[in-house]
Amino acid sequence: DQQVKQNSPSLSVQEGRISILNCDYTNSMFDYFLWYKKYPAEGPTFLISISSIKDKNEDGRFTVFLNKSAKHLSLHIVPSQPGDSAVYFCAASGTGFQKLVFGTGTRLLVSP
Amino acid sequence: DSGVTQTPKHLITATGQRVTLRCSPRSGDLSVYWYQQSLDQGLQFLIQYYNGEERAKGNILERFSAQQFPDLHSELNLSSLELGDSALYFCASSTRQGAGEAFFGQGTRLTVV
Repeated sequence: DQQVKQNSPSLSVQEGRISILNCDYTNSMFDYFLWYKKYPAEGPTFLISISSIKDKNEDGRFTVFLNKSAKHLSLHIVPSQPGDSAVYFCAASGTGFQKLVFGTGTRLLVSP
Repeated sequence: DSGVTQTPKHLITATGQRVTLRCSPRSGDLSVYWYQQSLDQGLQFLIQYYNGEERAKGNILERFSAQQFPDLHSELNLSSLELGDSALYFCASSTRQGAGEAFFGQGTRLTVV
């Protein structure tokens, strides 16, 4: 049972434009959500997170939006840069969870 | 640099063999997690330890086992290896038992031939 879903395996965006990566979850007990970025042959790197008491969190070019009623979150990258090309994983956790539950990832390609 | 150290970075071994992967968490982190990533798939949770005690188990095979030592480093033991065990194995650590950010090591790439 895939509790965290990233339905788009890949996304291509031009440099300078907005990248929007989406994530859906099914377990209403999740109350903390994270995005990780992963380059080939490296470990995932924490990018940004959001608690369920918020609907938006911003950090520089990265903004995460949370829609609890839809059980949906998204990561916006503005403006996109070629160095942002990587696989982005959405993850969720919550009270009583002892682990992060990851989605399958979305490969972002930002072209010059 | 996440502060999480995994050794070795690469490992090639034959079917039926046993290997040990090692993880040193960030200084001060009590929780250690092990994840498996096969063929560019998602990260599958294997097992979690907190301050030396097992706290959660995921889809970990019976041929796999792990432990966390008093100095908080952790080892993942994989035995009777099969071709399908070839994967990237990541260790992550965090300060708390659950929720919150976890910081990942560079991973160990295991190839079973």
